[in-house]
Amino acid sequence: AQSVAQPEDQVNVAEGNPLTVKCTYSVSGNPYLFWYVQYPNRGLQFLLKYITGDNLVKGSYGFEAEFNKSQTSFHLKKPSALVSDSALYFCAVDQGGKLIFGQGTELSVKP
Amino acid sequence: KAGVTQTPRYLIKTRGQQVTLSCSPISGHRSVSWYQQTPGQGLQFLFEYFSETQRNKGNFPGRFSGRQFSNSRSEMNVSTLELGDSALYLCASTRTGMESTDTQYFGPGTRLTVL
Repeated sequence: AQSVAQPEDQVNVAEGNPLTVKCTYSVSGNPYLFWYVQYPNRGLQFLLKYITGDNLVKGSYGFEAEFNKSQTSFHLKKPSALVSDSALYFCAVDQGGKLIFGQGTELSVKP
Repeated sequence: KAGVTQTPRYLIKTRGQQVTLSCSPISGHRSVSWYQQTPGQGLQFLFEYFSETQRNKGNFPGRFSGRQFSNSRSEMNVSTLELGDSALYLCASTRTGMESTDTQYFGPGTRLTVL
């Protein structure tokens, strides 16, 4: 079965600093990986996905993710964090059309 | 293009009652999936519908059911509500859902509270 893990429940970053939200995966076959963000009392917003090709995937709001096959990781990154980036972030893997989510990482960006 | 819409946004029910939640997918999307989000269990897949047929199902009891209409709108029903059913129920749509590369776009969710 496919699975993803987000090893950090919370990440704290100062505004303007780079941020990384970690995700590792365990899949058989080709991994189709996704990142979503959730703001309070809102649904999930799609940020980016990795299907195949370039290991660096660019997404919405300045976010990007690096796919690393040898380390089975798909970390979310942003060069300069904004206070408005504070939210709950989910990594997910597609398993036959259904998404398997990690437990989520709370990102807090302080001014 | 309008996004995924869900109604109602908030619901309060008592144990033993039943509830129906509604989801309208993005125009042109034919696959609708439902997820349950709770603090303890996180995000869990309930089921997926395509062309009015349930195509995929998660590990939830039979009290959880759904259906899809010819216009791709979907409803999910929970009968004999339990306290543990309190959750945010999210609906997501994709064009076909037949490709693992398809992106699922989520609605704002329905917050169900069972008293």
